Amino acid sequence: DAGVIQSPRHEVTEMGQEVTLRCKPISGHNSLFWYRQTMMRGLELLIYFNNNVPIDDSGMPEDRFSAKMPNASFSTLKIQPSEPRDSAVYFCASSQTGVGYTFGSGTRLTVV
Amino acid sequence: GESVGLHLPTLSVQEGDNSIINCAYSNSASDYFIWYKQESGKGPQFIIDIRSNMDKRQGQRVTVLLNKTVKHLSLQIAATQPGDSAVYFCAEKNSGYSTLTFGKGTMLLVSP
Repeated sequence: DAGVIQSPRHEVTEMGQEVTLRCKPISGHNSLFWYRQTMMRGLELLIYFNNNVPIDDSGMPEDRFSAKMPNASFSTLKIQPSEPRDSAVYFCASSQTGVGYTFGSGTRLTVV
Repeated sequence: GESVGLHLPTLSVQEGDNSIINCAYSNSASDYFIWYKQESGKGPQFIIDIRSNMDKRQGQRVTVLLNKTVKHLSLQIAATQPGDSAVYFCAEKNSGYSTLTFGKGTMLLVSP
């Protein structure tokens, strides 16, 4: 199994631009999580999907952030418009039972 | 101005020593706990887990201890190796919810 696959690994964009981060969970996992990691705040849960349905999006910072999971093998996290304070590493994780997450390698986002 | 980042607790040990990393959790209703290891540039990696009906669990070179009375979790690494150098996170979960809450992390530095 290739594990959780995220793309791109690095993204540098200008303030105001739209950014789309992508995630392919492990086949058969029914839960998918988006986390953001910064030095200031550590690992923060942004949103959680179960069977492709968003269950808890209370961690999404504001309306500029949106996430979708159109099918069991793909999810996106979109930021529009992006701001410098969005710079962070964004991780996707998946799980079969809701525990014991497997994380992807992350996308390092830099907004200048 | 200069931003103030999260200052991670750091544990420095010599190769071959035993390491103990501690974690205090906040939710007395949490019933499942996991330790993750995060190496530079990578996503968190599952190490070992424990449920609240246990107070000790052993893996390969690692042992997790759970003290529910004082809400304390520890990770013991035997014969620490330079490859163990990483940031270690504890995570807790309440059976009523499907998401993990992560601690701030401890950096382990192993000198050869």
